[in-house]
Amino acid sequence: KAGVTQTPRYLIKTRGQQVTLSCSPISGHRSVSWYQQTPGQGLQFLFEYFSETQRNKGNFPGRFSGRQFSNSRSEMNVSTLELGDSALYLCASSSLNTEAFFGQGTRLTVV
Amino acid sequence: KNQVEQSPQSLIILEGKNCTLQCNYTVSPFSNLRWYKQDTGRGPVSLTIMTFSENTKSNGRYTATLDADTKQSSLHITASQLSDSASYICVVGSGGSYIPTFGRGTSLIVHP
Repeated sequence: KAGVTQTPRYLIKTRGQQVTLSCSPISGHRSVSWYQQTPGQGLQFLFEYFSETQRNKGNFPGRFSGRQFSNSRSEMNVSTLELGDSALYLCASSSLNTEAFFGQGTRLTVV
Repeated sequence: KNQVEQSPQSLIILEGKNCTLQCNYTVSPFSNLRWYKQDTGRGPVSLTIMTFSENTKSNGRYTATLDADTKQSSLHITASQLSDSASYICVVGSGGSYIPTFGRGTSLIVHP
């Protein structure tokens, strides 16, 4: 059974640009959550989607947004990138009776 | 404000030795507590999950304990191996909100 797949693995962007990250959950998992991980702040919850609807949202500015498609694949978008957005972005998928399984993450560097 | 504090921040031990990592939390209402292992460059992997009524959970050489009264948890690693070198993250779920609260992790290095 394939795990959670995140693409791309690495990304370099310039300040002011926008970026879209992709997450393909484990087959059958309908919940996808996104997290930001930085050395200074650790892991922080961004948002969670279930059946194409955002169910929960963390304390991040509106520049961070996401969506989920009918096949449960999810994307997150960050607009007007800032240097502080440099981080490892992780997504995790789960179903009703399972723990959350994380992908390998996308390492975003903003220069 | 919900918080999770982990100690020590980093730890170096020799292969074969035991170690204990600590997690103190102020999350209310409490729902569950998970320990994750994160290898460098990879996503976290769940080691254990405990609810309010559980005070010990084992997963191979990893044993987690939970004291809901003092709001403390520990992760004990027995007979450490080089592959145990990783960051260990404590995560507490709240019954009032889906949003989990993460500790900043303990970085463990196991030397031969």
